[in-house]
Amino acid sequence: EPEVTQTPSHQVTQMGQEVILRCVPISNHLYFYWYRQILGQKVEFLVSFYNNEISEKSEIFDDQFSVERPDGSNFTLKIRSTKLEDSAMYFCASTRQGPGRDTQYFGPGTRLTVL
Amino acid sequence: DQQVKQNSPSLSVQEGRISILNCDYTNSMFDYFLWYKKYPAEGPTFLISISSIKDKNEDGRFTVFLNKSAKHLSLHIVPSQPGDSAVYFCAALTSGTYKYIFGTGTRLKVLA
Repeated sequence: EPEVTQTPSHQVTQMGQEVILRCVPISNHLYFYWYRQILGQKVEFLVSFYNNEISEKSEIFDDQFSVERPDGSNFTLKIRSTKLEDSAMYFCASTRQGPGRDTQYFGPGTRLTVL
Repeated sequence: DQQVKQNSPSLSVQEGRISILNCDYTNSMFDYFLWYKKYPAEGPTFLISISSIKDKNEDGRFTVFLNKSAKHLSLHIVPSQPGDSAVYFCAALTSGTYKYIFGTGTRLKVLA
């Protein structure tokens, strides 16, 4: 069964450093999402991406964050200058059709630890 | 601003019995609701969804009920199995948007 993959599984970085989290969505999917989950808290929507542009973003997704689909398979989340409070699990998800019309498939997540 | 709430952080149920997980929402614009299951070290896995035009949707052992007037939905698992032990999240969506709003999750433990 096709699946969403994410790398790395765990990223440790120093505060102020840039990190790039990578995702490979399911190959025929067109809509892509990033979420985060701070330990013990709810899963929070960060951003959605369709047709090579951001379709919606949350208040969390400020200027420190950016997303990119650099080629036909990868979908990346960049945090320019990490803060301690960015420590969380980051999940990528994808769907073939638009929201509410298709199942959202999640990757296993990247645990980001900011020291 | 918690638009989707799961007031029970945990629930324990005997194997074979019914598990009922509850979710409340405040935003009347939500018109599509989903339940996800999450195991440790994995991403959420979609379980079942319901549109606001329905009040019930069933898929095997899983049934979701929606009470729009009460802004409440519930997930019933019958019969519960030890493999159902996981964290369950409800999520809500407004048509025309991409922003899925998740609840805080309920940890279900099914006792053998």
